Amino acid sequence: EAQVTQNPRYLITVTGKKLTVTCSQNMNHEYMSWYRQDPGLGLRQIYYSMNVEVTDKGDVPEGYKVSRKEKRNFPLILESPSPNQTSLYFCASSLWRAGKLFFGSGTQLSVL
Amino acid sequence: DQQVKQNSPSLSVQEGRISILNCDYTNSMFDYFLWYKKYPAEGPTFLISISSIKDKNEDGRFTVFLNKSAKHLSLHIVPSQPGDSAVYFCAASEEGAQKLVFGQGTRLTINP
Repeated sequence: EAQVTQNPRYLITVTGKKLTVTCSQNMNHEYMSWYRQDPGLGLRQIYYSMNVEVTDKGDVPEGYKVSRKEKRNFPLILESPSPNQTSLYFCASSLWRAGKLFFGSGTQLSVL
Repeated sequence: DQQVKQNSPSLSVQEGRISILNCDYTNSMFDYFLWYKKYPAEGPTFLISISSIKDKNEDGRFTVFLNKSAKHLSLHIVPSQPGDSAVYFCAASEEGAQKLVFGQGTRLTINP
């Protein structure tokens, strides 16, 4: 089954404790991206990747890192999480640019 | 600056009637528009799209209309069914860009 898999689904952590949210897709997609969803703001792009070893910032990259060492995986890293990073996070992939995106089920992060 | 706006946070429609969801945009360079549907605890799923060279696209019960002069997009669902109850996001992108810009979302409730 074609899918984008994110883990974990729920995460509660404390300020400053490094964490990684994993994302994997099995569709051989070139393009992958991370979004965060906040009330009243829709989905905003954090980082994206056009291919292996090619990543770039989206609209809200501060406080986040990503890597793309393999085509299928695109982890999101929060080196020192802060409460304003409490949000619902989605990983997505597509065949080309930012067209028809396939989304993961989301990761609800709470930073205390 | 919100480039894509969905001004109705919620909409309630009787089962069997037409649902009309609206979306306005400000960037005249947008050339590709999409609608996504999101159920609770799931990621958004692609519903229907339209490119700027067309003014209408149909897929079963779903039709998207594009009015480029008014910078306005709408999604019509006919007839509405209880399973259509979800949050709907419109999104847009411009050629060469590496992100979709999303609206805030509209929560559609279909009443039996």
